[in-house]
Amino acid sequence: KQEVTQIPAALSVPEGENLVLNCSFTDSAIYNLQWFRQDPGKGLTSLLLIQSSQREQTSGRLNASLDKSSGRSTLYIAASQPGDSATYLCAVHSGSARQLTFGSGTQLTVLP
Amino acid sequence: DAGVIQSPRHEVTEMGQEVTLRCKPISGHNSLFWYRQTMMRGLELLIYFNNNVPIDDSGMPEDRFSAKMPNASFSTLKIQPSEPRDSAVYFCASSFGDRGSYNEQFFGPGTRLTVL
Repeated sequence: KQEVTQIPAALSVPEGENLVLNCSFTDSAIYNLQWFRQDPGKGLTSLLLIQSSQREQTSGRLNASLDKSSGRSTLYIAASQPGDSATYLCAVHSGSARQLTFGSGTQLTVLP
Repeated sequence: DAGVIQSPRHEVTEMGQEVTLRCKPISGHNSLFWYRQTMMRGLELLIYFNNNVPIDDSGMPEDRFSAKMPNASFSTLKIQPSEPRDSAVYFCASSFGDRGSYNEQFFGPGTRLTVL
């Protein structure tokens, strides 16, 4: 059974800092990995989708990398801003059920 | 595009009552997913439809839960009778692709259900 872990559970940084969020998964036979952002009381916003054949994906200040063989992904946020404060979730597509398996998220706070 | 639409946004009901949650997927998407989010268990898939047909309902917790997708633009998740442990945020998501695809999923704003 696929399990997804995100470390740290919470992170607080000053504005302007570059930061890395980590995601690991137990079964490396994934099809793709998706990073989401969730604001309090809101739904999930898709940030990046990285296919299993890709090493990284970039969108603006965000860069996601994937090392499928080691079961790891990182989300790099450059020049963090208070508006980046949210919970970041990673999820992997694997198995025959076509479902996303989610990590428990990293709650990010960017201090002005 | 309006994105995935869910209603109601909040629902408070008493134990034993029937609850119906509604979802309109993004136009053109042919896969629809119902998820539940709780503090204890995080996000869990309940059921997945492709081309209006239920493909995987192994995540549905018990017979009190049922889901339908009568057409490509509408789905319901029903709980009857509801129990306090059903209190959670229920998300609907949609994507485009055939049954064998693993495409990007787009989520609705969720329905926060409280069962007293």
